Amino acid sequence: ILNVEQSPQSLHVQEGDSTNFTCSFPSSNFYALHWYRWETAKSPEALFVMTLNGDEKKKGRISATLNTKEGYSYLYIKGSQPEDSATYLCAFPNTGNQFYFGTGTSLTVIP
Amino acid sequence: ETGVTQSPTHLIKTRGQQVTLRCSSQSGHNTVSWYQQALGQGPQFIFQYYREEENGRGNFPPRFSGLQFPNYSSELNVNALELDDSALYLCASSYTSGSGTDTQYFGPGTRLTVL
Repeated sequence: ILNVEQSPQSLHVQEGDSTNFTCSFPSSNFYALHWYRWETAKSPEALFVMTLNGDEKKKGRISATLNTKEGYSYLYIKGSQPEDSATYLCAFPNTGNQFYFGTGTSLTVIP
Repeated sequence: ETGVTQSPTHLIKTRGQQVTLRCSSQSGHNTVSWYQQALGQGPQFIFQYYREEENGRGNFPPRFSGLQFPNYSSELNVNALELDDSALYLCASSYTSGSGTDTQYFGPGTRLTVL
């Protein structure tokens, strides 16, 4: 069983604040690192699939970076809005098809 | 909207019973994975089916079994339910399997409560 850790477990920020959280994963046998956003009562939604060391991806105000050598990825949200409130999950596929998820970071953006 | 649907939304069973959860994958996706999310944890991989064959299994006992059908639907069956089986069950479909880079598209989940 692989250990995928996310921190912090939860976060409360004011509207307009920028924030970031971390996903740590094993640095060996790397295939990819996936980020998902999961709003309450909805399906988890894919944000990014990151594959290369040094990768940086962006989708609107959300961006992510990847360091495969040290085994971490950061997710950044610039100018948080109430609609960004969700749980953010990272997933690390092992042997190509078995995904290991972290426990998620629960973000609440206060208007 | 991912196009992945699950039924039922909620289910209550008693210990020892059997349950079948259903998933309808996105059209054209030949791979489906099932996950269990217990309270306070991330989703745990149960197993994956690729072209109707099991293609990887997590640390779950044999009383968890599955089927995948040619029409992109699939089932998760759990026999002899235990209290610890109470969880949210998610299915996710993808176009291919094995690369680890394919995006998985999730359904909204089935909440199972075992009394």
